[in-house]
Amino acid sequence: QKEVEQNSGPLSVPEGAIASLNCTYSDRGSQSFFWYRQYSGKSPELIMFIYSNGDKEDGRFTAQLNKASQYVSLLIRDSQPSDSATYLCAVNPLTGGGNKLTFGTGTQLKVEL
Amino acid sequence: DVKVTQSSRYLVKRTGEKVFLECVQDMDHENMFWYRQDPGLGLRLIYFSYDVKMKEKGDIPEGYSVSREKKERFSLILESASTNQTSMYLCASSTRGLNTEAFFGQGTRLTVV
Repeated sequence: QKEVEQNSGPLSVPEGAIASLNCTYSDRGSQSFFWYRQYSGKSPELIMFIYSNGDKEDGRFTAQLNKASQYVSLLIRDSQPSDSATYLCAVNPLTGGGNKLTFGTGTQLKVEL
Repeated sequence: DVKVTQSSRYLVKRTGEKVFLECVQDMDHENMFWYRQDPGLGLRLIYFSYDVKMKEKGDIPEGYSVSREKKERFSLILESASTNQTSMYLCASSTRGLNTEAFFGQGTRLTVV
């Protein structure tokens, strides 16, 4: 079983709709969870992180965490064509020194006009 | 403006060559990471370092080594390049702690022929 799993997509949504991206993780001891966005040919950049159960909102983005179900999601409201990218879920498993992020394979999102 | 700089954007090397990929960060971060990114496989951690001269193996360390002699610089070494090491290599850095963002360099696309 992979440590962090995401549906590779592509996930296609119409402009203005809500995009829902999902991620599951295997390490129950994981403490913090990150969503990165990666445009084609570019490096990943952080959208937001979450470490408490429940929802965390930042503008059009909402991260949701359910530690009991080992599930984290990202909702993008009012999706725009500029949101078309690959979204990477990352988990800090809290093992060893430092924070060693483990990434999922990413979900490709396409927002269509 | 935070910066992680990788020495080369594109690199072509021959099989059997010793290859050095250099990464420098100017944010005084304790943690530095080397990932490789391949289609369908996502970002996979090769090595990370949480302090000068300290290193830990990631998920795929075989065929690679690293060096961190100064806090700001983290080098990835391919001892004898092989064609299966053709990939996009991404360096990242972060401060210590659970909820700290990892900042990525622009990536080095390495082709081994």
